[in-house]
Amino acid sequence: DQQVKQNSPSLSVQEGRISILNCDYTNSMFDYFLWYKKYPAEGPTFLISISSIKDKNEDGRFTVFLNKSAKHLSLHIVPSQPGDSAVYFCAASAAGGGGADGLTFGKGTHLIIQP
Amino acid sequence: DTEVTQTPKHLVMGMTNKKSLKCEQHMGHRAMYWYKQKAKKPPELMFVYSYEKLSINESVPSRFSPECPNSSLLNLHLHALQPEDSALYLCASSQERTVNTEAFFGQGTRLTVV
Repeated sequence: DQQVKQNSPSLSVQEGRISILNCDYTNSMFDYFLWYKKYPAEGPTFLISISSIKDKNEDGRFTVFLNKSAKHLSLHIVPSQPGDSAVYFCAASAAGGGGADGLTFGKGTHLIIQP
Repeated sequence: DTEVTQTPKHLVMGMTNKKSLKCEQHMGHRAMYWYKQKAKKPPELMFVYSYEKLSINESVPSRFSPECPNSSLLNLHLHALQPEDSALYLCASSQERTVNTEAFFGQGTRLTVV
């Protein structure tokens, strides 16, 4: 049973436009959410995180929104740049978890930025 | 310095070999992790160390044996692996297991079992 779901395996966005990546979760115990970016044959690179006590966190071009009632979060990238092309993983951890009792990852969304 | 260093980057081993994967971080993190990632799949947690003690073993076969010699180092000893164990093995660290903070990942070791 997948506790973190990324239902879009891939997403194609034109350069300069907004990229919106979505993530849903089922475990009500999750209280910390993260987005990672991954290039092939490399480890995931941390992008941005959000605690369940917030509904928005912003860092430069990246904004994460959390809707706890819907158990849904999204990552907005604006403007999208060619270097943003990568696989994006949504991850979550439970109370007291931190990096934690390990992270539970979604299957990832392959973002392709088109010139 | 937010770097987690893993060696080797690539490893090919036979099913009768014994090898070790190494991971190092100097961020003062007290929680360290091993993940396994197969192609087109998300990383899956294998082991969690907290203050050099094994906290979680996610039902990993005994042919994988973790070791945490000190707070900066994490090893994964491999013995009698199967071809299906071929994967990208990722090490990660975070500040503490009980604190919500990001985990930093190494570049991974691409393991091929022949």
